[in-house]
Amino acid sequence: GQQLNQSPQSMFIQEGEDVSMNCTSSSIFNTWLWYKQDPGEGPVLLIALYKAGELTSNGRLTAQFGITRKDSFLNISASIPSDVGIYFCAGRTNFGNEKLTFGTGTRLTIIP
Amino acid sequence: DADVTQTPRNRITKTGKRIMLECSQTKGHDRMYWYRQDPGLGLRLIYYSFDVKDINKGEISDGYSVSRQAQAKFSLSLESAIPNQTALYFCATSRSDSAYEQYFGPGTRLTVT
Repeated sequence: GQQLNQSPQSMFIQEGEDVSMNCTSSSIFNTWLWYKQDPGEGPVLLIALYKAGELTSNGRLTAQFGITRKDSFLNISASIPSDVGIYFCAGRTNFGNEKLTFGTGTRLTIIP
Repeated sequence: DADVTQTPRNRITKTGKRIMLECSQTKGHDRMYWYRQDPGLGLRLIYYSFDVKDINKGEISDGYSVSRQAQAKFSLSLESAIPNQTALYFCATSRSDSAYEQYFGPGTRLTVT
């Protein structure tokens, strides 16, 4: 099946640093979403993007829908300990297609 | 109280046993989904349901079956569990007018020995 490539697979940063991660596909997507998963919990929706070029913020998080429609980016500014977790991108290819394709995740660790 | 609940949260079972995982939601959403999560593979869709009478296979439905008993309840069954069904299972819900914004339960960790 279709896959989304997320990079990096893991990140080790210090508190206060900014974080950038991205998600790419070989296919065009019409919707991009970013989720965060804490240990022992289900993914939680952070940001949804519906138009190419769209830039949307949620607090310290900012996500962008790439203009090629084949990628999306998530930035976290001034990281804090509670940002630790796994970040997943997800996308939908066609209108009328109700299924999401998920990326393999970026694991964020904050070094004390 | 959690909007999407799953029971059990953890289960260990033996090969060949039948097992059912249950999902309930109080969000009033029409659509419900079952996903499987394996390390390094992200989330993969097993089955999804648009309403009580509409159930559809996802990308990895073999070896699984589902039942939508009510708008708020969606259960996943493994008729004869096998070890490679060991995984983390998530239920999710969404509204029909924003089906792409899915809300997940806390997950069930299933181990098949």
